[in-house]
Amino acid sequence: GAVVSQHPSWVICKSGTSVKIECRSLDFQATTMFWYRQFPKQSLMLMATSNEGSKATYEQGVEKDKFLINHASLTLSTLTVTSAHPEDSSFYICSAKKRGRGDYGYTFGSGTRLTVV
Amino acid sequence: DAKTTQPNSMESNEEEPVHLPCNHSTISGTDYIHWYRQLPSQGPEYVIHGLTSNVNNRMASLAIAEDRKSSTLILHRATLRDAAVYYCILTGLIQGAQKLVFGQGTRLTINP
Repeated sequence: GAVVSQHPSWVICKSGTSVKIECRSLDFQATTMFWYRQFPKQSLMLMATSNEGSKATYEQGVEKDKFLINHASLTLSTLTVTSAHPEDSSFYICSAKKRGRGDYGYTFGSGTRLTVV
Repeated sequence: DAKTTQPNSMESNEEEPVHLPCNHSTISGTDYIHWYRQLPSQGPEYVIHGLTSNVNNRMASLAIAEDRKSSTLILHRATLRDAAVYYCILTGLIQGAQKLVFGQGTRLTINP
């Protein structure tokens, strides 16, 4: 199988603080992980592509200094929302692609619901 | 990016087949057709994928048009647990990387 664990599943933080979300591939190595954001009643929006051992590639319009991504190992990527504000409240979802697998095998985490108060 | 077009919503009855259409007229020869579904407050779940030939797995079937400009996801016998948003996605190289870019999807409602 291919399991992706995302933690925490929900978090409430005060405006101005930073929040870290972890995404782990439990039974496979993931050279590439993806981070998405989803607002209520909307589709997933790709924020960035995280590559192990190198800098993340951010989609147009996503602030790299606000959404810090670190992919230090083949099984862990983290997303840190810095100086969070209420407009950052959203459902954040990570996805991992199994190393060596063909053009399939995108496994998603269960998501993190961030509420900034 | 190669885009897909899906109906916003569909409704079906429990234990009946469901055919979810997807148009992708700008698909390129190397794009795979993927289907994912998302239940409320969960991450998306892989359903099926294909390139040219029709595909079957334990969850669903994927029928791909001969010109590959459209495809249909078939749930053979819908259950209440199949109520979800279904996304049809093309994967190929975008800006040198393979990534899943989601459209709006089809919200499927299953009536008991």
